[in-house]
Amino acid sequence: AQKITQTQPGMFVQEKEAVTLDCTYDTSDQSYGLFWYKQPSSGEMIFLIYQGSYDEQNATEGRYSLNFQKARKSANLVISASQLGDSAMYFCAMREYFGTASKLTFGTGTRLQVTL
Amino acid sequence: NAGVTQTPKFQVLKTGQSMTLQCAQDMNHEYMSWYRQDPGMGLRLIHYSVGAGITDQGEVPNGYNVSRSTTEDFPLRLLSAAPSQTSVYFCASSYSGRAGQPQHFGDGTRLSIL
Repeated sequence: AQKITQTQPGMFVQEKEAVTLDCTYDTSDQSYGLFWYKQPSSGEMIFLIYQGSYDEQNATEGRYSLNFQKARKSANLVISASQLGDSAMYFCAMREYFGTASKLTFGTGTRLQVTL
Repeated sequence: NAGVTQTPKFQVLKTGQSMTLQCAQDMNHEYMSWYRQDPGMGLRLIHYSVGAGITDQGEVPNGYNVSRSTTEDFPLRLLSAAPSQTSVYFCASSYSGRAGQPQHFGDGTRLSIL
């Protein structure tokens, strides 16, 4: 079974609109972290937002918020007021304990295109 | 702020050649790791290290070696390059290996094996 599933290979959104990128995860651990990263066409990986498994409130960072539904094992990223610069690949990732430390497992990504 | 620095940015090798991808961080992070990114597969963990002198295998370790002699450096060695190792390689670091720590990534090394 996939650890992280992103079912939307590509998404389009108009500038200034909000968009939700879906992410579901699979783990039997109680302690884990959920992350979203942005990868623009230049290739670097940019950390956007984090949600801990024990956090009761949804994480927010500026225009980014994470809609965390623990029972459904989903961690959707919401981008409000989309901007042209938001066009990029977006990866959902889960960090869970692995051996002596923890590892980050990534989904296959969603390519977001913001249009005028 | 340098953060995580990877060199080289691009490299072309012939099958059977060996090389080392360099990774250095200046944030005093204990935890470092290497990932490869292939089209349609997201990033996959190759090797990781929880501190100087300690390394362990990730999901796809075959064909790669690592060592961690200092906190700052975590080089990745390809022993005998194969076309299947054509990929983009990312080095990442975090303060610790705890699940709540975000990893900070270098800019990547694009490697082509002919």
